[in-house]
Amino acid sequence: RKEVEQDPGPFNVPEGATVAFNCTYSNSASQSFFWYRQDCRKEPKLLMSVYSSGNEDGRFTAQLNRASQYISLLIRDSKLSDSATYLCVVNAWPRELIFGTGTLLAVQP
Amino acid sequence: DAGVTQSPTHLIKTRGQQVTLRCSPKSGHDTVSWYQQALGQGPQFIFQYYEEEERQRGNFPDRFSGHQFPNYSSELNVNALLLGDSALYLCASSLAGTGTYEQYFGPGTRLTVT
Repeated sequence: RKEVEQDPGPFNVPEGATVAFNCTYSNSASQSFFWYRQDCRKEPKLLMSVYSSGNEDGRFTAQLNRASQYISLLIRDSKLSDSATYLCVVNAWPRELIFGTGTLLAVQP
Repeated sequence: DAGVTQSPTHLIKTRGQQVTLRCSPKSGHDTVSWYQQALGQGPQFIFQYYEEEERQRGNFPDRFSGHQFPNYSSELNVNALLLGDSALYLCASSLAGTGTYEQYFGPGTRLTVT
């Protein structure tokens, strides 16, 4: 079983739609959680950290459920510029960041 | 504020050769991690350097080695290249002791082994 699992997609959605991605992790000792965004042939960029209380940044909302060991990302009012691969990432100190394989989002005009 | 920089951007090598990739961390950061990203996969951790020492290592053979310099910049060396080493090599920097473990990536070096 992979340490971090994501649905690879692709998720094809129209502009303005709301889309949600889920991710599960296997290491219950994981302490830090992130969503990164990666555009084609570019480096991953930190989108947001994920906290137990949930957190929001504009159109993006992240949730963490430690009991079920799952993380979610909700994108509201999708824009064409949101098209990218979204990587779920966990960390259990002193270990490194563990990345999922990513979920591809394609927002259609 | 200078971000993470890597060089070269692209590299083509032949099987059996050796390669050195370079990384300068984001200003103010002291920790450098290296990742390998194969096509269609998420980045895989190679190793992390802090205070000029390898602090953690992922599941990569000894052909992969590294170094960190006093100015926090780092090198990744790969010996006896295999076709399977073809990938995007990413360097990420962070600041130790912050407790957040947020890492910021450079643009990567795309290595092709023929």
